[in-house]
Amino acid sequence: GAVVSQHPSWVICKSGTSVKIECRSLDFQATTMFWYRQFPKQSLMLMATSNEGSKATYEQGVEKDKFLINHASLTLSTLTVTSAHPEDSSFYICSARPQGYTEAFFGQGTRLTVV
Amino acid sequence: QKEVEQNSGPLSVPEGAIASLNCTYSDRVSQSFFWYRQYSGKSPELIMSIYSNGDKEDGRFTAQLNKASQYVSLLIRDSQPSDSATYLCAVNGETSYDKVIFGPGTSLSVIP
Repeated sequence: GAVVSQHPSWVICKSGTSVKIECRSLDFQATTMFWYRQFPKQSLMLMATSNEGSKATYEQGVEKDKFLINHASLTLSTLTVTSAHPEDSSFYICSARPQGYTEAFFGQGTRLTVV
Repeated sequence: QKEVEQNSGPLSVPEGAIASLNCTYSDRVSQSFFWYRQYSGKSPELIMSIYSNGDKEDGRFTAQLNKASQYVSLLIRDSQPSDSATYLCAVNGETSYDKVIFGPGTSLSVIP
């Protein structure tokens, strides 16, 4: 149980284009999903917390107009990196918290490379 | 600003030894504590959760929590080379709606 699927696993895009990353909870309903970014040899940086049916709460310093988060259902959240630039290249990871749980479970991560 | 601190390491232990990983947190109202393991290039994997003071054992892993000292630890007995990874301490707030704050992680290397 508690499987979180993230897609795609890796993506290469051209500078200026947008990329959408999906995060799905496969066997549970997630009231809360989290989006993280991780640069090489650095720790996870929380970007935003997403609750189903409401606007995402972004961490300080994260541009909400650049990183669009949609949590349309209890099993799906998406992160869209708009007008991507090479400095956005990173490992993006989502996690989902089942209803009534305090633990959160991670997706496989998406390695984004902007060229 | 809520903070979670860990020694970055690297921590090196010989195969078969006990690895001890430590974590401190700043928010006294924190209620839930987690240890995640992250292999290089992969996403974190939950290995232990603990909510009450004392010890919690699961196989070769033992988590210890001391809320008065705001301290969490993870012991890995009979360490194996496959345990070599970065171990992330994570702390949740008062409610299940709170965000999870991660520490910077401790890199563990188990030497055969």
